[in-house]
This record gives sequence, structure tokens and C-alpha cells, in this order.
Amino acid sequence: AQTVTQSQPEMSVQEAETVTLSCTYDTSESDYYLFWYKQPPSRQMILVIRQEAYKQQNATENRFSVNFQKAAKSFSLKISDSQLGDAAMYFCAYRSVSSGSARQLTFGSGTQLTVLP
Amino acid sequence: EAGVAQSPRYKIIEKRQSVAFWCNPISGHATLYWYQQILGQGPKLLIQFQNNGVVDDSQLPKDRFSAERLKGVDSTLKIQPAKLEDSAVYLCASSSLSSVGTQYFGPGTRLLVL
Repeated sequence: AQTVTQSQPEMSVQEAETVTLSCTYDTSESDYYLFWYKQPPSRQMILVIRQEAYKQQNATENRFSVNFQKAAKSFSLKISDSQLGDAAMYFCAYRSVSSGSARQLTFGSGTQLTVLP
Repeated sequence: EAGVAQSPRYKIIEKRQSVAFWCNPISGHATLYWYQQILGQGPKLLIQFQNNGVVDDSQLPKDRFSAERLKGVDSTLKIQPAKLEDSAVYLCASSSLSSVGTQYFGPGTRLLVL
């Protein structure tokens, strides 16, 4: 079974600075998807960024980018120019490419990000 | 495009009572998921539907939880009888077969069992 580990329960960053959230995962599969979701106090899970494992290029979405190291099974999220609205719980998640039951997401335990004004 | 809808948003019940949650996925999404998220943890899958068939319910406590997805659209998750440890946020998500694995989540239902 796949596992996802987020070793930083809490992080803080100064507004306008850059912060990196860490995520590692364990899998025997060669193709899969990785995601970062953001969960503000409203508890709605919002997709931040997605990475397909077969793509070597790191995904980027505006101020959010990832550092995907397939061999090391590492998938970190970098937030540039941090804004107060970025404050939330961030979850790393894994999903197999296979169909059927493997479509479920396996989540890490989350990192609570605080943005300081 | 409308997102995933869930109701109610909040529910407080006493233990041993029953409760039901409703989810309406994004139009055209064949796959629907129910997750349970206990405070301080990541979401855990309870059940996954594809159209109106169950794909995975291995983590659903079937002695008290049930779910259905009639006509392959809306879904209802029921707990009967509720226990204190069922206090959590219940998240519904949906995905299409062409969405490259991306699941879109609803706002969740916060359940408090007293």
C-alpha cells in the first residue's frame, strides 16, 4: 500500500517571502499522480497543483511550484511571494494511475501554514 | 461550472441517533467519493462509486454506515447509530474519467456527536 508522509506539522512564513513544504511517499508503482491540496478553516479542499509522475518537468501554477524528485520519492511545494490568503492546512496526496479502487487519494497528515504580516 | 454540493454543512446529534448527508457531484462526473476527516488528520476514503456501482467500500464501517448513489448522480451517506468517534468532517468528491485523476471536493459536512 502507498503511504504519504509530511514531516512538518507546522510551518510559518513572512508575508512576501518564500516557503517550501515537504512531502515524501512510498510506492512500488512507476506511474502515478501527486497532488497538493489546500484546506482553509472552511474545511473545503482546494486543488493547488498536480504532477504526473511520467513528466520530468516540474508543475507550476502562478506562485506555486513543485520540486518532484522521482528517484527520491519526494514532492515538495514551493510558495513564492506568500500572501495572507495562503494560510491554511496543506495536504500532499498520491493517486495510482490504475483504474477502479486505486483511484482513491492517499493523503499525508498535513502541514499547517501560518503567514505572518 | 457548478462545484460539488453537500448538505447540511453542520450537524449536531446525540450518540445512538441517526444522521444522513447528501452530495451532488459535478455534472457528468462518473466517480464519487466519500471521505471522513477526523480533526488533525488527512481525509480517509470511506466509499467510492463509479456511476451507481460500488468500487471500494473496504474502509466503510458497514455495521453503522451505509451509502447509496441512485441513478449514478446524487449520493447519500448514512450513519445509524452514531458514536462519539464519528465526530468528523465528511467530504464528498467527484472526478470524471477524463480529469486525469483530479478529484474535486465539496465544502464538507461537520458532524458533532455528543
